[in-house]
Amino acid sequence: DAGITQSPRHKVTETGTPVTLRCHQTENHRYMYWYRQDPGHGLRLIHYSYGVKDTDKGEVSDGYSVSRSKTEDFLLTLESATSSQTSVYFCATQKGTGDGYTFGSGTRLTVV
Amino acid sequence: AQTVTQSQPEMSVQEAETVTLSCTYDTSENNYYLFWYKQPPSRQMILVIRQEAYKQQNATENRFSVNFQKAAKSFSLKISDSQLGDTAMYFCAFMNGWETSGSRLTFGEGTQLTVNP
Repeated sequence: DAGITQSPRHKVTETGTPVTLRCHQTENHRYMYWYRQDPGHGLRLIHYSYGVKDTDKGEVSDGYSVSRSKTEDFLLTLESATSSQTSVYFCATQKGTGDGYTFGSGTRLTVV
Repeated sequence: AQTVTQSQPEMSVQEAETVTLSCTYDTSENNYYLFWYKQPPSRQMILVIRQEAYKQQNATENRFSVNFQKAAKSFSLKISDSQLGDTAMYFCAFMNGWETSGSRLTFGEGTQLTVNP
């Protein structure tokens, strides 16, 4: 059983439409993260959560919002998708400070 | 802000040989963690090895080991007896140990390693 599930796995959407990506964990980890992966940039942090309803911005948060209403779910929303948001999005969880991350399988998002 | 640099975008090695991937980082902190992650063509991110900055001993996980040089801010990954399954993108990452609201990882740009038969 996968500890972290991202949905959808792939998505194509049109410019200007809202998009929500979901991350679901069964690890009961406190910390959750959203990263985007682009060639030449590695992975860059979008937003993160350190508890239910506790979230903060990462280095590339413009155009994105998040919500965490329960421990197991962390949602990433693109309010109005743009072509620059075409990317692979990874969710990750962390049990405690200093621990490594456990990653989901990623969502490939294409904005046309 | 911390930065992580991987100066080798691509590397290749023959099966059964040893290869070393380089990583340098910049920080003013003393308490931190360093990681190597592997991303095979499946896209899954897999933790390879973790190093605590306060530990002088280099971390080892089977065929994977690191050379952690704290003063030089260098953290290289050595893969011994390379296997075809080691073909992947490898990311070096830095984590500040003092953060109390989660521990953000800062990643390098990655090194694409190809193991040739």
